[in-house]
Formats: sequence, structure tokens, C-alpha cells
Amino acid sequence: SQTIHQWPATLVQPVGSPLSLECTVEGTSNPNLYWYRQAAGRGLQLLFYSVGIGQISSEVPQNLSASRPQDRQFILSSKKLLLSDSGFYLCAWSPGYEQYFGPGTRLTVT
Amino acid sequence: AQTVTQSQPEMSVQEAETVTLSCTYDTSESNYYLFWYKQPPSRQMILVIRQEAYKQQNATENRFSVNFQKAAKSFSLKISDSQLGDTAMYFCAFMKLMRDDKIIFGKGTRLHILP
Repeated sequence: SQTIHQWPATLVQPVGSPLSLECTVEGTSNPNLYWYRQAAGRGLQLLFYSVGIGQISSEVPQNLSASRPQDRQFILSSKKLLLSDSGFYLCAWSPGYEQYFGPGTRLTVT
Repeated sequence: AQTVTQSQPEMSVQEAETVTLSCTYDTSESNYYLFWYKQPPSRQMILVIRQEAYKQQNATENRFSVNFQKAAKSFSLKISDSQLGDTAMYFCAFMKLMRDDKIIFGKGTRLHILP
């Protein structure tokens, strides 16, 4: 069966520091991959999605970037974090239509 | 552009009661998917139910069922015999019938099941 992992689960970073969040999927190949951000008590904001290695589509211009170095690995990065980057980050994969989500990373920028 | 609207920000019902969450959407597509996702306090997003627009029969998963009204562009979720574990945020979502397309989420309805 397929599983999706995210790490770290929790992260506290100072403003201006770099960021790297990792997402990996097991048990499938060539999945669509997605990064979402969710502010407290709010809906999901799609940040990036990828339909293949090296293929990244950005939904919202900001100081975040994404990369897909391997088929089942999706990385969310920032060179310098802002206070507004705080939130809950969810990675998801899709075999075609419905999406399945990872456990999420809670990021607090101080 | 497609939009998904959930008009009930928050609801509360007693345990064992039946509750219906509303969702409307706007699209010019004729074929698409609709979903309900559940996000409990753990914040793990869980797929509850999926409906294909070309199917007239309403989808059902145990205590969860939908009322899909294609002409009205309405997609409500009914939870029967509600349980404390149903307490969660519920998101309605839409996706065009294209493999590489995105899912559009509503803003969510926070559901409280009261003991």
C-alpha cells in the first residue's frame, strides 16, 4: 500500500533562516505531488504541484520554492523565512484524481 | 474558474444525530469529481467520500453519504448516527476530469459532535 511521509513534524525557526521540508511517497510511481499551507483555522492554500521529476508549477508567488529531485520526493524550501511563513504545511500525492495527504509539518517562525 | 463554497463555517450536533453539511460549486465543466475531506484535531486530512459527476447515484461510505444535485451544483454531506470521532473540519473539494489538474477546496465547515 501507499504511504506518504513528511518531516520534520514540528519546526521552530527564526526569521531570516533557511527552510527545508521534505515529503516522500512509498508504494507508487510517478505520482502527482502537492504542497499546501494552512493557516490556523483556515482553508488550504495550494503552493506548488508537480506532475513529474523537475516539473514544478507555482500557484502563489512568494519566498518559497519547491523541487522534485526524485520521482517520489518533494521538497519545499526557502532561503529566508518570514513571519508570515508560519503555518501548517501539508504534502499530498495523487494517483490520478483524489489526493492523499501526509501528516503535515507545523512551522513556527519567530 | 471553478469555485467551491461552504456556507456553514461552524455547526454543532448531539451525538447520534444526523447532520448535513452544505457545499455548492461553480463550474462550466460537465465531467468532474467532487470530494469531502475530513481534518480532525490531529490535522491529518482524510478522504471521506468521492463522487464522479457522470454517475447519477449518490456515493455512500458507511455512515457518510452525499446528496449530489448536478443541475443545482450542490454537493452536501450527510453524516448519520454521528459519533464523537466525527468532530473535525470538513472540506468540500472539486476537481476537473483531468489527471494533472488541481483540486479546489472550500473554506471548510467546523463540526462539533456534542456528548
